[in-house]
Amino acid sequence: DTGVSQDPRHKITKRGQNVTFRCDPISEHNRLYWYRQTLGQGPEFLTYFQNEAQLEKSRLLSDRFSAERPKGSFSTLEIQRTEQGDSAMYLCASSLADRGLETQYFGPGTRLLVL
Amino acid sequence: QKEVEQDPGPLSVPEGAIVSLNCTYSNSAFQYFMWYRQYSRKGPELLMYTYSSGNKEDGRFTAQVDKSSKYISLFIRDSQPSDSATYLCAMSNQGGKLIFGQGTELSVKP
Repeated sequence: DTGVSQDPRHKITKRGQNVTFRCDPISEHNRLYWYRQTLGQGPEFLTYFQNEAQLEKSRLLSDRFSAERPKGSFSTLEIQRTEQGDSAMYLCASSLADRGLETQYFGPGTRLLVL
Repeated sequence: QKEVEQDPGPLSVPEGAIVSLNCTYSNSAFQYFMWYRQYSRKGPELLMYTYSSGNKEDGRFTAQVDKSSKYISLFIRDSQPSDSATYLCAMSNQGGKLIFGQGTELSVKP
């Protein structure tokens, strides 16, 4: 088990461009989460999937953001028409949700800089 | 007011000191309490996980939850320079999304 992986690790883009990030969860984990973390702050929840179903989206997730998890495996997070305020670390986490405790394991993150 | 409050520090201690990190929260529905450690430019890694009130110990780390006061703590005994990192508290009510504190930056000096 290699843990949660994210690609790319770093992305620099110009304002107005679209970007897409990928997350590969730990195999057999049925839940996948996206969080955003800005400098000096804790991660903030964006959205999560159970298998392929998107179960919750934060009000932080504007209509420029879209996430998918086809076939309940990897997930992509797309940001359209990027703005400077989108600059942040985008973290992915996965978990095996069963009865009782659920432990989320985080990936290394994708650091986005919008110029 | 944020749901979870955490003093951002920075906190600097000498090697071997006992470190106390704390969070307060406002949502009485929270039942699951976690502490994550995050090194610079890395993803958070889980340190401790507690359900409801009580204490939990794992090596040099002890987590305490006081639901009546809406207060959680993490104690690190015999702190080491390798413990230098940002410590994040996180909570949830019935699994699912985590609500994080701001994180406390800890530096342990040799």
